[in-house]
Amino acid sequence: DAGVIQSPRHEVTEMGQEVTLRCKPISGHDYLFWYRQTMMRGLELLIYFNNNVPIDDSGMPEDRFSAKMPNASFSTLKIQPSEPRDSAVYFCASSLFREETQYFGPGTRLLVL
Amino acid sequence: KNEVEQSPQNLTAQEEEFITINCSYSVGISALHWLQQHPGGGIVSLFMLSSGKKKHGRLIATINIQEKHSSLHITASHPRDSAVYICAVSGSNYQLIWGAGTKLIIKP
Repeated sequence: DAGVIQSPRHEVTEMGQEVTLRCKPISGHDYLFWYRQTMMRGLELLIYFNNNVPIDDSGMPEDRFSAKMPNASFSTLKIQPSEPRDSAVYFCASSLFREETQYFGPGTRLLVL
Repeated sequence: KNEVEQSPQNLTAQEEEFITINCSYSVGISALHWLQQHPGGGIVSLFMLSSGKKKHGRLIATINIQEKHSSLHITASHPRDSAVYICAVSGSNYQLIWGAGTKLIIKP
């Protein structure tokens, strides 16, 4: 398997624009996680899915953030409208079971100007 | 006080040295994770522990549930081990709590 795939790897956008981050988990993994990493706050869990269903979205910072998982092989994290403070590295990870080892994607570096 | 404390924050050592990174936590957990983040930013999950000890190559992770403490050991360290090592714990409701990370530099 190719591992967790994220796209784009880098995104530079202007404040107010919509940003969509994409993730393809490892085939067969039932859990998918979205994380954000900043220098100030470290790694934060934003939301996680089990069998395509959002289980805990308490980490989503505000209504500008939304995540979907329309099928077992694809998830999106959308920010609309984006703000400079959203600049961070966004990681997607997947695991077979909730408490099993998580496999991380390469991350998307987002810069909002 | 943070719920997950790592020590040391920074560690510089010579190649071949035995490395120990510590993680203490103050909450009840269902699992503890050790992750590695390289300077390029990629994150690799090293271990997931709920008891005992796990070994993978030169890496060893131990956990003492009673003492709420875990250690990550690296034997025969190598410059390519230079990275940030992160400890994270998950509770019964799966709220992940992350340590601040330990920045390890191995000099040749």
